Amino acid sequence: ETGVTQSPTHLIKTRGQQVTLRCSSQSGHNTVSWYQQALGQGPQFIFQYYREEENGRGNFPPRFSGLQFPNYSSELNVNALELDDSALYLCASSGDSTYNEQFFGPGTRLTVL
Amino acid sequence: AQSVTQLGSHVSVSEGALVLLRCNYSSSVPPYLFWYVQYPNQGLQLLLKYTSAATLVKGINGFEAEFKKSETSFHLTKPSAHMSDAAEYFCAVSAPTGGGNKLTFGTGTQLKVEL
Repeated sequence: ETGVTQSPTHLIKTRGQQVTLRCSSQSGHNTVSWYQQALGQGPQFIFQYYREEENGRGNFPPRFSGLQFPNYSSELNVNALELDDSALYLCASSGDSTYNEQFFGPGTRLTVL
Repeated sequence: AQSVTQLGSHVSVSEGALVLLRCNYSSSVPPYLFWYVQYPNQGLQLLLKYTSAATLVKGINGFEAEFKKSETSFHLTKPSAHMSDAAEYFCAVSAPTGGGNKLTFGTGTQLKVEL
């Protein structure tokens, strides 16, 4: 059973650019959630996808968008990058568990200059 | 709305001493509660979870947590700290969002273990 993987590990962009982060869910998991973790903070929920449909969204602007594919891999897209978007972006996958146990990937560290 | 509060952003203990990391929750429904650990430059690893089956929950690496409804607490403990326990620890509560559930995290507690 493979775990959750994310790519790339690190990324540097400039303000105004667009970025795509990728996540491969744990085998058999049909739900993926994305979180933003700013330095020194706890992770903040961005959105969740279930069977390719958005299934809940946190307090993030529309320039944060996502996709989930039939193989349950997913993408997080951020347009018009701002300096405050610099953070660790975590992907988490979960299955049909009542308890919403989520398994996290190692994250992508995004730096916006 | 569900939320968690972690008291103490930094905790320092001696190796072999008791570890106690505090978490209080707020929830309008019976909560599912989690403790995660994060090592530097890594993602989150689940330590343990409370799902209403038992109030004392045992997790990995010798950690355990006790759910106390009367105190709305879910504190994490370990009888004897090891140097390898140095990391950041997050308490989280599961909350409904749309058709699914999201995790709401506390601000974290950085655990330092000294010789």
